[in-house]
Amino acid sequence: AQSVTQLDSHVSVSEGTPVLLRCNYSSSYSPSLFWYVQHPNKGLQLLLKYTSAATLVKGINGFEAEFKKSETSFHLTKPSAHMSDAAEYFCVVSDPAGNQFYFGTGTSLTVIP
Amino acid sequence: EAGVAQSPRYKIIEKRQSVAFWCNPISGHATLYWYQQILGQGPKLLIQFQNNGVVDDSQLPKDRFSAERLKGVDSTLKIQPAKLEDSAVYLCASSRGGLTGAFFGQGTRLTVV
Repeated sequence: AQSVTQLDSHVSVSEGTPVLLRCNYSSSYSPSLFWYVQHPNKGLQLLLKYTSAATLVKGINGFEAEFKKSETSFHLTKPSAHMSDAAEYFCVVSDPAGNQFYFGTGTSLTVIP
Repeated sequence: EAGVAQSPRYKIIEKRQSVAFWCNPISGHATLYWYQQILGQGPKLLIQFQNNGVVDDSQLPKDRFSAERLKGVDSTLKIQPAKLEDSAVYLCASSRGGLTGAFFGQGTRLTVV
């Protein structure tokens, strides 16, 4: 069975400071992991994905995530937060075939000017 | 490429009424998903289609929800009769599989009063 746990329901950072959104996963198989972002009243947008290639994955808008098997983690980071990064972020694990997706409960990111 | 199209964007109905949502996936995507996202929660899978066949509908409340994907392209999700707890955003997504991730529409926000 696959699942993800997002360790923080809310994160607040100042503009220009680093962002860290934490995600731990549980999977019976070698997992495929994704991060999605959801801005208010918008659909979910794929930020980045890990599919057993490089463990450090770069995504859109300056975000990246590192897959750490020993820690069963896939944390999302960004060196410098921008006001436009304020949104809800979801960590997602898929089944081995990439056909079914299991969502975390989400982390709401607030960026303070 | 064009994204996942959903309509309507917003719907307000009274309890016990019926409502239908429409989704047109990205061209060539064989897999189509309907998710329910209640405020403050992550998306929950309602039903998954592979072409025009159902892969997973284990969390679909079949006494009131129904979905179809005729001809393996667009899909409709219906609720009849609606309850107050059905108030949520209904997200449609599509995928071509192979660990590419799922692509989401903007969703339909349903309010049941």
